[in-house]
Amino acid sequence: GAVVSQHPSRVICKSGTSVKIECRSLDFQATTMFWYRQFPKQSLMLMATSNEGSKATYEQGVEKDKFLINHASLTLSTLTVTSAHPEDSSFYICSAAQGKKMNTEAFFGQGTRLTVV
Amino acid sequence: GENVEQHPSTLSVQEGDSAVIKCTYSDSASNYFPWYKQELGKRPQLIIDIRSNVGEKKDQRIAVTLNKTAKHFSLHITETQPEDSAVYFCAASLTPGKLIFGQGTTLQVKP
Repeated sequence: GAVVSQHPSRVICKSGTSVKIECRSLDFQATTMFWYRQFPKQSLMLMATSNEGSKATYEQGVEKDKFLINHASLTLSTLTVTSAHPEDSSFYICSAAQGKKMNTEAFFGQGTRLTVV
Repeated sequence: GENVEQHPSTLSVQEGDSAVIKCTYSDSASNYFPWYKQELGKRPQLIIDIRSNVGEKKDQRIAVTLNKTAKHFSLHITETQPEDSAVYFCAASLTPGKLIFGQGTTLQVKP
């Protein structure tokens, strides 16, 4: 299957600072990537759809000014958590689909454990 | 938008027994239904998926059924083993790669 790599796997930052998370498709081009957030013992919640060369599409309730998404190339999407606060501490994970066929499998990155202190 | 409900939230079975997890979805246009197994701190691992033009799919001890009319799909694990213990998520998709997840089921298989 296709490979999606996410970096860093863990990050600890101070409250008020910004953190950037990278998501790369290593062996395929992804015009669309997806970002999810998962709180402990909860499900994965879709945050936004990252579109190459255009603005991201955010799900209802997700602050676009707080979670900045950039998808400047066909293999890289970044999520920047701005002015992070302890309540932003969570597991963030990206995914991408290989191709644009309907019914296609999604491939996930390893996830990033963000802790804001 | 799409909404996926998953039940039960926890499931405990004896080793060797079967386990069934059920999900319902709201958007009849959804056409792809994967099931994931997730271990703590890890990425979700696809264990089986089914597409809307198929009613049932089986892979060794794992099977999935889909009822499009009722908008529900189920995961069946037979001959459960302790290593099957994990959190399982169902999901529904109508856009390639975009998944809406159920709430998750914690499966415990007792030796």
